[in-house]
Amino acid sequence: ETGVTQSPTHLIKTRGQQVTLRCSSQSGHNTVSWYQQALGQGPQFIFQYYREEENGRGNFPPRFSGLQFPNYSSELNVNALELDDSALYLCASSSPRDEETQYFGPGTRLLVL
Amino acid sequence: GQNIDQPTEMTATEGAIVQINCTYQTSGFNGLFWYQQHAGEAPTFLSYNVLDGLEEKGRFSSFLSRSKGYSYLLLKELQMKDSASYLCAVLTSSGGSYIPTFGRGTSLIVHP
Repeated sequence: ETGVTQSPTHLIKTRGQQVTLRCSSQSGHNTVSWYQQALGQGPQFIFQYYREEENGRGNFPPRFSGLQFPNYSSELNVNALELDDSALYLCASSSPRDEETQYFGPGTRLLVL
Repeated sequence: GQNIDQPTEMTATEGAIVQINCTYQTSGFNGLFWYQQHAGEAPTFLSYNVLDGLEEKGRFSSFLSRSKGYSYLLLKELQMKDSASYLCAVLTSSGGSYIPTFGRGTSLIVHP
């Protein structure tokens, strides 16, 4: 158990819909990163939030957006869902004292039909 | 772009030693991570190397050569529970941000 929680655990959507995934970081962790992991692949970095602002972004289109709240919890929003968005979505948090060590949540498995 | 290469699959015997290699080609290199991921679970942090050399942590050790763009994860006294995917990830800096890039992972199968 890393202290990082995500909801929901599983989700089924259809093409064109919108989805919001949630992450609660470990206590004291002010940095949250989001990743997409397709089956048989490594996680792909989507973006990172630090103190409620985006602090780095991977190669994902603008329909992937996020938020971080004052309590450091975070949301990942995906608009206009496509079939290829089906994946495991992971969030990871880190503390200011140990920025390199990321603690991953259990993930949300999204299926787009 | 970043390029990270690691073997897709390896097998080893319980009690043995296995070395999982990772090569990378990146710009703005800051450090290299190794993570363990059991099937259906989230990755868990194993090591983070910034400087050249070997770092040992119990049964697991990680080595880095920045000049060669090469790292390995060494697992000793293998146990059945070590069967998992091992992910190599490079941390690079760009425009004031730190971007982690993961390899596809090496699936390690430990058999009796």
